[in-house]
Amino acid sequence: EVQLVESGGGLVQPGGSLRLSCAASRFTFSSYWMSWVRQAPGKGLEWVANIKQDGIEKYYVASVRGRFTISRDNAKNSLSLQMNSLRAEDTAVYYCARVVSGTYAGFDYWGQGTLVTVSS
Amino acid sequence: ETTVTQSPAFMSATPGDKVNISCKASQDIDDDMNWYQQKPGEAAIFIIQEATTLLPGIPPRFSGSGYGTDFTLTINNIESEDAAYYFCLQHDNFPWTFGQGTKVEIK
Repeated sequence: EVQLVESGGGLVQPGGSLRLSCAASRFTFSSYWMSWVRQAPGKGLEWVANIKQDGIEKYYVASVRGRFTISRDNAKNSLSLQMNSLRAEDTAVYYCARVVSGTYAGFDYWGQGTLVTVSS
Repeated sequence: ETTVTQSPAFMSATPGDKVNISCKASQDIDDDMNWYQQKPGEAAIFIIQEATTLLPGIPPRFSGSGYGTDFTLTINNIESEDAAYYFCLQHDNFPWTFGQGTKVEIK
């Protein structure tokens, strides 16, 4: 069964930085688009970023563009999210998710999430 | 951006009930709607793709319907193990957007 395990969450001050990681296993990581999705406390889910198999093509939600960077290491089966200039509104559980292959039609597997809290 | 309005936010059901959860898109998204189930502390599970297709391994008491702007997740003869958070996702256009989610409690 596909496994996605996030790490790197924690408490950070406003304006600070944090790097999230997602370890992928039990599938051919290099063959899939991957994503980050987040859920703020008491709110619905929000797609954050997508990255293509080659790591070159990337897309971001407007609220994080210029502050967050998605990247991947296909040799290590790892997905990352570098988050800079963090704001209180970035407080959320961040999920790593695999994009449905071929049809690019949403997500088929998710991790359990890692909590990021931005607070002084 | 397509707004997805999901309702209800919370529902309480008795085992054996039929449960309907609605997602309404602010524009026509064909059948580009997925449904997911998430239990506390666990990874979300993909249960319905393209509005109506049940994923392998998902019990047949789950079904999806709808096209265009109105979509429904139905759980027939709900069981105690179906207590969870359910959410929908539209993937017709970017940014992909989610419904606000429905917490289903089993009495």
